[in-house]
Order: sequence, then C-alpha cells, then structure tokens
Amino acid sequence: DSGVTQTPKHLITATGQRVTLRCSPRSGDLSVYWYQQSLDQGLQFLIQYYNGEERAKGNILERFSAQQFPDLHSELNLSSLELGDSALYFCASSLAVGGQNTEAFFGQGTRLTVV
Amino acid sequence: AQSVTQLDSHVSVSEGTPVLLRCNYSSSYSPSLFWYVQHPNKGLQLLLKYTSAATLVKGINGFEAEFKKSETSFHLTKPSAHMSDAAEYFCVVSERSSASKIIFGSGTRLSIRP
Repeated sequence: DSGVTQTPKHLITATGQRVTLRCSPRSGDLSVYWYQQSLDQGLQFLIQYYNGEERAKGNILERFSAQQFPDLHSELNLSSLELGDSALYFCASSLAVGGQNTEAFFGQGTRLTVV
Repeated sequence: AQSVTQLDSHVSVSEGTPVLLRCNYSSSYSPSLFWYVQHPNKGLQLLLKYTSAATLVKGINGFEAEFKKSETSFHLTKPSAHMSDAAEYFCVVSERSSASKIIFGSGTRLSIRP
C-alpha cells in the first residue's frame, strides 16, 4: 500500500458528461501529480500541484482541470468527455519538489470508461 | 530541460537468465533517477532510486541499477529473471531544482519465457 488513495476505482460514463476523480496523497506529502495512461499513448503527465499551487503542466486538455485543496487532497475534473478519454488515471504524491525527496508514490488509479 | 529515453520497448528473456533494461537520461541539474514497475492492471511501484549517494543502487526483488554520469545512463539489471518479474518498467528522472517535475520514460515491457 503506497498510502495514496484514489476514488473511485472504476467509472463508466457517457460521452459529453463530466466526472471528478479524487486523490488523497500520503500523509505529509505536499506535491500531487496526475497522469493519464492509455494503450496508445502510454503514461502521460497531466499536471502537478505543490502545496495548493499549480507547479507544472503537461499534456492536459483544456476540457480537463485540477486543483489541490488546503487539506492537500486533489481533484481532477474531466468534462465534455469523449471516447478517447477512456484511460487509467493515476495520482501520485511526493514530499517535495526538488531536493532529495522527489520520489513519487502512486495510487492504484481510476479506470475511466467513456461509452 | 530533462528527458529520459528507454532504449527498448520490449525485452524478452528466459527464466533464470539475466535481465538488462536500458535507460538514458538528460538533465540540466543533478538528477534524481528512479525505476518503477507496473504489473498488469496495477499501480506503479517504486523499485529503486538514485539521489547522489552510492552510484550502485539496490532495490526490491533483487533488482539493481548503476548511475553512470559519463554515459548518462541508469540501466536496470537483475542476475536471474523470475516469472513474476514480467511487467512494465519505467525509468524516471527528476531534477533536484526548485521547479523540478517527474518525467517518465516510455516504458519497457519485460516478458519472461519459461
């Protein structure tokens, strides 16, 4: 158990809908990362937060947004869903950004299926 | 800018033979380097990490990796493959600067032949 909790584990929804994925980082970790893993694109970095502030952005679509709350949990919002958004979405957390403690611990992922 | 290249998308070895998964990195600052493993339908698990201490790093399940600055490499090895090692392996770089982010390689799928 990595200590990172993602909910829900599975989500099935229709095209055009909006969903929210939730991530609780390990206790004490300030940094949260979101990744999308699909069969054709591999593991893609989406976005990173550190202590409530956006720190880095990757290949995140404009239809997607995220935030990190004061209690450090994070949510990834996916809207106007398309079939191609079907993927495994991972959240990871780390103690710091930079320095010695940047190893990330991953949750089990949320499998999103858009039908 | 930082980047990481995994040189093989798929490696197949026989059970009991050595494993070598290759990784090269590029980093402007002193890097931290990691290997993660992902078993089918599972999350990613940290195998080992390098953060500027010993260049030969030992990880879980008998894996180890050697940091070679002159070759900008961080190859993952195991002396004897086991069937349970079949999985996807990711090499990861993180720069130890204040604005670092974690960059994943494209992954190497390791298959083990009986």
